[in-house]
Amino acid sequence: GNSVTQMEGPVTLSEEAFLTINCTYTATGYPSLFWYVQYPGEGLQLLLKATKADDKGSNKGFEATYRKETTSFHLEKGSVQVSDSAVYFCALKDSGGSNYKLTFGKGTLLTVNP
Amino acid sequence: KAGVTQTPRYLIKTRGQQVTLSCSPISGHRSVSWYQQTPGQGLQFLFEYFSETQRNKGNFPGRFSGRQFSNSRSEMNVSTLELGDSALYLCASSFGTLNTEAFFGQGTRLTVV
Repeated sequence: GNSVTQMEGPVTLSEEAFLTINCTYTATGYPSLFWYVQYPGEGLQLLLKATKADDKGSNKGFEATYRKETTSFHLEKGSVQVSDSAVYFCALKDSGGSNYKLTFGKGTLLTVNP
Repeated sequence: KAGVTQTPRYLIKTRGQQVTLSCSPISGHRSVSWYQQTPGQGLQFLFEYFSETQRNKGNFPGRFSGRQFSNSRSEMNVSTLELGDSALYLCASSFGTLNTEAFFGQGTRLTVV
């Protein structure tokens, strides 16, 4: 079956530091890949997505590139802010059959200190 | 454009009771999915409905059920509550085709005592 593995953290950075959160996946088909962010007490917000190999998703300074050869979708940001403190989830949705569900990683807690 | 609305936001129930949670999707979205979020198990898929039909179901006991109405609003029901059912229940809506993203509500925090 499908699965997502991401570094669980927690990750603690100083403001303006570089961020990488690793995400690798296992899927039977050609999935779409997503990063969601969850702020305290909130639901999940879509951060970015990529639907095919070599696609780069980007939003709010965050980027992730769909790497089929390494089955990875690592999240990066060049300069984090205190407001980026949240839990980040990598997820996939399979492209085949009738599987319309999202499969999530365990989440990575990011804390950014001023 | 209104987002996904889940009601209630917080709920406290006693073991053995049943509970119904509600989700109103974004206007025009025909797919509604439900997820359970717990610290130990993370985000787990419960079920997905499209045009009133359940298309996918996760690995949960039969105490967990759901339905979708003709206006795409969805409810999920949990009967004979157990302490382990305490969780954040998240609803997501989408257009329902394979590459469209899901938009989540703020969730219902269920506490079973």
